[in-house]
Amino acid sequence: DAKTTQPTSMDCAEGRAANLPCNHSTISGNEYVYWYRQIHSQGPQYIIHGLKNNETNEMASLIITEDRKSSTLILPHATLRDTAVYYCIVRVLKGSSNTGKLIFGQGTTLQVKP
Amino acid sequence: ETGVTQSPTHLIKTRGQQVTLRCSSQSGHNTVSWYQQALGQGPQFIFQYYREEENGRGNFPPRFSGLQFPNYSSELNVNALELDDSALYLCASTQLGGAPTDTQYFGPGTRLTVL
Repeated sequence: DAKTTQPTSMDCAEGRAANLPCNHSTISGNEYVYWYRQIHSQGPQYIIHGLKNNETNEMASLIITEDRKSSTLILPHATLRDTAVYYCIVRVLKGSSNTGKLIFGQGTTLQVKP
Repeated sequence: ETGVTQSPTHLIKTRGQQVTLRCSSQSGHNTVSWYQQALGQGPQFIFQYYREEENGRGNFPPRFSGLQFPNYSSELNVNALELDDSALYLCASTQLGGAPTDTQYFGPGTRLTVL
């Protein structure tokens, strides 16, 4: 079973920041938080990952709480093309027997509206 | 674009038949994982291949099998197709033994319909 909990759906106005929350209260010290998104019927697209520090790349920012029990993915200026299902996943560092497996939950369907 | 390619794009089979799906990994990647995504669900891990051997398997029956070739490309074979095998099949490649976090990059998927 997925170790994360996300809202089923969210709306965001075009041009505004989209803040997608994720709860992972049972996360272990050696587990990273990964975010992927999936636009309808395409393969999941990697967005960002982090361990305990906040991370930023050209696509998004990832804010992880100090206790690491939750995180927020921020799309700073959402566009219509950001409409997708967003998956938050926790996974073990390489070196574990489970490094090959991403366990997806149901994700959050983000609808960006004009 | 991730550089991961899959073929065919779409496929229609009948119950009881066998199917082979193909995946070419991103350049520099040595590991391929396969996932099944039923309609309205998140992807589910089938298995992973590393150095031409199975390196982890999800909760799928033995009629789901795979291969990895020396060039790191991979095949997913499904025997005795059932109606519930209708799904989007995704492969993801990564480089084990490279960076500290081996991020998986997905291909576009193969849509399999079993009638």
